[in-house]
Amino acid sequence: DAGVIQSPRHEVTEMGQEVTLRCKPISGHDYLFWYRQTMMRGLELLIYFNNNVPIDDSGMPEDRFSAKMPNASFSTLKIQPSEPRDSAVYFCASSLGLFGDNEKLFFGSGTQLSVL
Amino acid sequence: AQSVAQPEDQVNVAEGNPLTVKCTYSVSGNPYLFWYVQYPNRGLQFLLKYITGDNLVKGSYGFEAEFNKSQTSFHLKKPSALVSDSALYFCALTGGFQKLVFGTGTRLLVSP
Repeated sequence: DAGVIQSPRHEVTEMGQEVTLRCKPISGHDYLFWYRQTMMRGLELLIYFNNNVPIDDSGMPEDRFSAKMPNASFSTLKIQPSEPRDSAVYFCASSLGLFGDNEKLFFGSGTQLSVL
Repeated sequence: AQSVAQPEDQVNVAEGNPLTVKCTYSVSGNPYLFWYVQYPNRGLQFLLKYITGDNLVKGSYGFEAEFNKSQTSFHLKKPSALVSDSALYFCALTGGFQKLVFGTGTRLLVSP
């Protein structure tokens, strides 16, 4: 398996533009997570899905952020409009479950987002 | 509520010396504890986990961690550090059937 695949690796955009980040989880994993990593705030959970259904989006910072998972092999995180404070590394991760041995997360390589 | 704390932003150690990266936790119920490592420009990678059983857990790359319930700690250890161990280390916690909560991370620098 190729692991969790994220695209793009780097995204540079101007304030006010729409940004879409993409993720392909590991096949068979029922859970998908979006994390944001910054120097100031560390690793923050934004939202997670179970079987394509959003379960907890309490970490989504504002209405400008939205996430979808139209099928088991694809998820997007969209920021519209983007702002400079959104600059961060965004990670997607997937796992088999939320309990015990299945808790282990597999992370993608991340998308480095810079909003100018 | 569950939380995990990593009190040290950075740990410096000479190659060949033992290393310890500290982690303490707070959770109602039994803790499920993890260590992850992040190398530059990469996502986090799983190192080891404690679910139940032996308090000393062995993981990847020669790392181990000791679970101490009375001190609510789960420190990461390695008997002999390598320069290639230099990375960012995250402790993580869940109380079971809950999302994983990560600490703020500790940067490990191993000097030659």
